[in-house]
Amino acid sequence: QKEVEQDPGPLSVPEGAIVSLNCTYSNSAFQYFMWYRQYSRKGPELLMYTYSSGNKEDGRFTAQVDKSSKYISLFIRDSQPSDSATYLCAMSARGSYIPTFGRGTSLIVHP
Amino acid sequence: DTGVSQDPRHKITKRGQNVTFRCDPISEHNRLYWYRQTLGQGPEFLTYFQNEAQLEKSRLLSDRFSAERPKGSFSTLEIQRTEQGDSAMYLCASSFVPGLEVTEAFFGQGTRLTVV
Repeated sequence: QKEVEQDPGPLSVPEGAIVSLNCTYSNSAFQYFMWYRQYSRKGPELLMYTYSSGNKEDGRFTAQVDKSSKYISLFIRDSQPSDSATYLCAMSARGSYIPTFGRGTSLIVHP
Repeated sequence: DTGVSQDPRHKITKRGQNVTFRCDPISEHNRLYWYRQTLGQGPEFLTYFQNEAQLEKSRLLSDRFSAERPKGSFSTLEIQRTEQGDSAMYLCASSFVPGLEVTEAFFGQGTRLTVV
């Protein structure tokens, strides 16, 4: 079992939909949680970073962390075709700080 | 551009040849990571440097791989006697650790290696 599990999709939604992307993890030492967006043949781009449980909002993006369930989510409101990409969750532990990644979820937003 | 820079962006090499990649991190960052990513997978950790010291290596980093970070600035990743299984995207990332609660890693655009 991998430390970080993420459904690879693809997830296909119509423009304007609310998108929910999720990851589960097994390592209770993880305390830092990140979401990256990766376009084809490009490097990952940091979208959201959270340190604790709860919600963090940035524009159309909301990151949610539930440490008790070892479950994190990224919500995208009013999705756009330009949001079509692979979304990677990553997390790290205090002391190590080395990000461990999920395999990514491919999102397709069609007009 | 003050982001992480990687060179070259693409490299095609014949099996058995040596290749070297370069990464220039964000200037104030003290930590530098190397990851490998294959199609349909997330980035896999290879190694990292804290300043000039290489502190951890993944079991993925075979003896044919070597990384350096002289003077704690740019880093190089060399692969000797390349094999077709080395074909992948090699990603470099940097961060400032320990920050207060801010330790996120920023990635470069990667070097895509194709071994033929």
